[in-house]
Amino acid sequence: GAVVSQHPSRVICKSGTSVKIECRSLDFQATTMFWYRQFPKQSLMLMATSNEGSKATYEQGVEKDKFLINHASLTLSTLTVTSAHPEDSSFYICSASRGVTDTQYFGPGTRLTVL
Amino acid sequence: AQSVTQPDIHITVSEGASLELRCNYSYGATPYLFWYVQSPGQGLQLLLKYFSGDTLVQGIKGFEAEFKRSQSSFNLRKPSVHWSDAAEYFCAVGIITQGGSEKLVFGKGTKLTVNP
Repeated sequence: GAVVSQHPSRVICKSGTSVKIECRSLDFQATTMFWYRQFPKQSLMLMATSNEGSKATYEQGVEKDKFLINHASLTLSTLTVTSAHPEDSSFYICSASRGVTDTQYFGPGTRLTVL
Repeated sequence: AQSVTQPDIHITVSEGASLELRCNYSYGATPYLFWYVQSPGQGLQLLLKYFSGDTLVQGIKGFEAEFKRSQSSFNLRKPSVHWSDAAEYFCAVGIITQGGSEKLVFGKGTKLTVNP
């Protein structure tokens, strides 16, 4: 149990385009989903926390207009990177939990490359 | 501010040898502590977690970790390492924000190489 999927696993796009990444909890209802960014050989940096049906809470320094997060249902959250630029190239990982203090279960990640 | 320190960036051990990965945390309240493992290009898999109770926690794949409040540490151990354990290991502390939500603060990770 507690499986989280992400789609796509890899995406290459041109500078200026937008990219949507999906995060799904496959066998449980996730009241909270998290989006992380991981740079090469670095740790995970939390970008935002989203609760189903409400606006996401962004970490300091994360542009909410650039990284749009939607958590429309208890099993799906999406991250849209708008007007992507090469510096947005990174490994994006989502996680999901059933609630406060519950374990976070991580997706396999999405490798974004912006040309 | 909350933080997690993993002092060893890279550790190399021989297959069959014992392993200890260090983790120290800084958090004012009772911590929730986690160890995750990440294989190249993959997401994170939970190895074990400490919420309360017994300070020696057993996890998957033969790993265990011991919470020592006096040392603010949560070191990960395995008595005999297998080649398949080669990966990146992340320690994390779960904190409750002022808004009542939970977030994880990760250490920078320790890369484990296993020699045959």
